[in-house]
Amino acid sequence: DSGVTQTPKHLITATGQRVTLRCSPRSGDLSVYWYQQSLDQGLQFLIQYYNGEERAKGNILERFSAQQFPDLHSELNLSSLELGDSALYFCASSVSSGGGYEQYFGPGTRLTVT
Amino acid sequence: GNSVTQMEGPVTLSEEAFLTINCTYTATGYPSLFWYVQYPGEGLQLLLKATKADDKGSNKGFEATYRKETTSFHLEKGSVQVSDSAVYFCALTEPTSGTYKYIFGTGTRLKVLA
Repeated sequence: DSGVTQTPKHLITATGQRVTLRCSPRSGDLSVYWYQQSLDQGLQFLIQYYNGEERAKGNILERFSAQQFPDLHSELNLSSLELGDSALYFCASSVSSGGGYEQYFGPGTRLTVT
Repeated sequence: GNSVTQMEGPVTLSEEAFLTINCTYTATGYPSLFWYVQYPGEGLQLLLKATKADDKGSNKGFEATYRKETTSFHLEKGSVQVSDSAVYFCALTEPTSGTYKYIFGTGTRLKVLA
């Protein structure tokens, strides 16, 4: 158990809908990262937050947005969903945004868009 | 930009065989290097890391040496077990806009047969 929790574990929804994925980092970790893992794209970095502020952006679509709240939990919002958004979404946390720090990954949310 | 290249999988070995999974990287500075492992149905977890040239990371019988001259961080294990079957990801962190972003390789699936 990494100490990072993600809800829900599974999500099935229709095209055009909007969903929110939730992540609680390990106690004491200030940085939260979101990743998308699909069969054809591998593990893609989406976005990073540190202590409530956005710090880095990766391959995140404009239809996707995220935020980190004062209690440090984070939410990833996915809107106007398309079939291609079906994937595993992982959240990870680390104590710092420094280069040598390991990331602790949650168990993931499996999103299926039908 | 910085990148990580891993050998294609799947790698299939018999129990007690020697394992090498190749990883090379491209970086303009001095990245930290990591190996993460993903067991079926789980998130990624750190296997080992090295933060400077010639450092050797080791854990659970796995090891990898940070080779700056060949820009490599190959993962090795002397005798694999069925329980080592998983997907292995090589990664580096690169500094960007006051923070560090993780870049993951595409992952290499290892299957160990009894």
